[in-house]
Amino acid sequence: DAKTTQPNSMESNEEEPVHLPCNHSTISGTDYIHWYRQLPSQGPEYVIHGLTSNVNNRMASLAIAEDRKSSTLILHRATLRDAAVYYCRKQTGANNLFFGTGTRLTVIP
Amino acid sequence: DTGVSQDPRHKITKRGQNVTFRCDPISEHNRLYWYRQTLGQGPEFLTYFQNEAQLEKSRLLSDRFSAERPKGSFSTLEIQRTEQGDSAMYLCASSSKTRLAGVRNEQFFGPGTRLTVL
Repeated sequence: DAKTTQPNSMESNEEEPVHLPCNHSTISGTDYIHWYRQLPSQGPEYVIHGLTSNVNNRMASLAIAEDRKSSTLILHRATLRDAAVYYCRKQTGANNLFFGTGTRLTVIP
Repeated sequence: DTGVSQDPRHKITKRGQNVTFRCDPISEHNRLYWYRQTLGQGPEFLTYFQNEAQLEKSRLLSDRFSAERPKGSFSTLEIQRTEQGDSAMYLCASSSKTRLAGVRNEQFFGPGTRLTVL
């Protein structure tokens, strides 16, 4: 199966860190790991991506397991605006453009 | 706004009618994608273009669906003889083949066209 596996839902308290896991056990050496999120009534938006090394940007951090079969998206301080569905996928160029069902993150004030 | 735009935002049609949606990508992007999303599901890939060439089509794209990108800029997605099962959000995205702003193959999504087939 070319797709990834994520928990259906997670909750976090506001201003606490959130760790969103993703399993991609069939990943190949050329697949990048991409994370997108989708706010209510909007199209998905890019969050972060990586290949082997951990990555940081202004939105989040991405921790990639050494065997690359799993990764974790880290939101350092969840805000109410981070409530969304988070999707991870493995992607090689314009191939493997599949989204799973994602993880619905609820942020509790 | 220089993002991806889609028109119309909402479309209600009767079963059996034809509908056409338009997507205007970010102007310097040479790749354009169409997805379909039903309630509670992630977006499902339908097809993608590199410039005017349609390079990949999903098995979801039945013969009632056709997409074009005649000049390598905007794209249209047409659904003929619509069925109730076609009711969904149709999302368009674009990306650049080359590295832009430090992110390669990042897809930028439009707001979508919500289709309701009665």
